[in-house]
Amino acid sequence: DSGVTQTPKHLITATGQRVTLRCSPRSGDLSVYWYQQSLDQGLQFLIQYYNGEERAKGNILERFSAQQFPDLHSELNLSSLELGDSALYFCASSARDTLTGELFFGEGSRLTVL
Amino acid sequence: GNSVTQMEGPVTLSEEAFLTINCTYTATGYPSLFWYVQYPGEGLQLLLKATKADDKGSNKGFEATYRKETTSFHLEKGSVQVSDSAVYFCALITPGGTSYGKLTFGQGTILTVHP
Repeated sequence: DSGVTQTPKHLITATGQRVTLRCSPRSGDLSVYWYQQSLDQGLQFLIQYYNGEERAKGNILERFSAQQFPDLHSELNLSSLELGDSALYFCASSARDTLTGELFFGEGSRLTVL
Repeated sequence: GNSVTQMEGPVTLSEEAFLTINCTYTATGYPSLFWYVQYPGEGLQLLLKATKADDKGSNKGFEATYRKETTSFHLEKGSVQVSDSAVYFCALITPGGTSYGKLTFGQGTILTVHP
């Protein structure tokens, strides 16, 4: 158990809809990262928050947004969903930034868009 | 930009066989290198790491040596077990600047070990 909690574990929705994925980092970790894992793109970095502020952006679509709240949990919002958004979305956390490269991953939220 | 290339899988071995999963990278500067493992139904977890040239990372019988001259970080294990069946990801990060959070992962290699 990594200590990172993600909900929901599975989500099935239709194209055009909006969903919110939630992540609670390990106790004490200030950084939260979101990754998308799909068969064709592999594991892609989406965005990082550190202590409530956006720290780095990766290949995140404009239809996606995220935030980190004062209690350090984070939410990833996906809107105007398309079939290609079907993927496993991972949240990870670390104490500070990733200069050490060690991230602690949750079990992921599997999104299926029909 | 940074990139990581792993040998294509899936890899299927018998228990006690020798394992090698190749990983090569392209990066600016001096990256730190990692192997992550993803067991079925779980998130990724760090297996081992090396932060400078010629360093050897090791954990749970797995080893990988940071080879700057060949830009490689191949994962090896002398005798695999059924419980090693998982997906293995090679990754790198270049410290400093805008690299925060930007662990760059390879495509992953599926390993299946049969009894």
